[in-house]
Amino acid sequence: ETGVTQSPTHLIKTRGQQVTLRCSSQSGHNTVSWYQQALGQGPQFIFQYYREEENGRGNFPPRFSGLQFPNYSSELNVNALELDDSALYLCASSLYSNEQFFGPGTRLTVL
Amino acid sequence: AQSVAQPEDQVNVAEGNPLTVKCTYSVSGNPYLFWYVQYPNRGLQFLLKYITGDNLVKGSYGFEAEFNKSQTSFHLKKPSALVSDSALYFCAVRDQAGAGSYQLTFGKGTKLSVIP
Repeated sequence: ETGVTQSPTHLIKTRGQQVTLRCSSQSGHNTVSWYQQALGQGPQFIFQYYREEENGRGNFPPRFSGLQFPNYSSELNVNALELDDSALYLCASSLYSNEQFFGPGTRLTVL
Repeated sequence: AQSVAQPEDQVNVAEGNPLTVKCTYSVSGNPYLFWYVQYPNRGLQFLLKYITGDNLVKGSYGFEAEFNKSQTSFHLKKPSALVSDSALYFCAVRDQAGAGSYQLTFGKGTKLSVIP
């Protein structure tokens, strides 16, 4: 197991609601990346945070936003939830450009 | 843009036989290449990486991968498969020249089933 933790494990929301997912980095890591994994697909890069600033973004709309805190933990916020946002959301931490270590994920279901 | 292709959705192999999971990639510069494994209802677990140097990379649990620059491939291999190797395997790439973002691009995954 990695030292990356995510909460909550599962979440059920309805369309139009907002959600916040949380991630704690592995000790010693300073970079956090978020990925969305739809059923039967590979993870898709949402964005990355380094030194509390967004350090790259994938093809996701602005209603996906994030934060990184001084202790390197991170949040992913999604506004105006849509049915297609149902997925496993994975957080990964790394030390700069080294390999990324993933948390267990948060399973989001949007009804 | 960078991309990864895993041409096989599923690979079946008998226990004790060698296994290969295929991956090809595309990047504009030199690649960083990774293999991850995912067990049901779990996150991704790092297996191995290629950065530079020897084309044969050894990783966790007896897995290895061979980097072939001319064929832009990075196939995952294991000499003798175990039933416990049954899982979903993902290949990922990052462009070494990509300044700033350390975005990984993943393939769609290959489901490995090891038959007792």
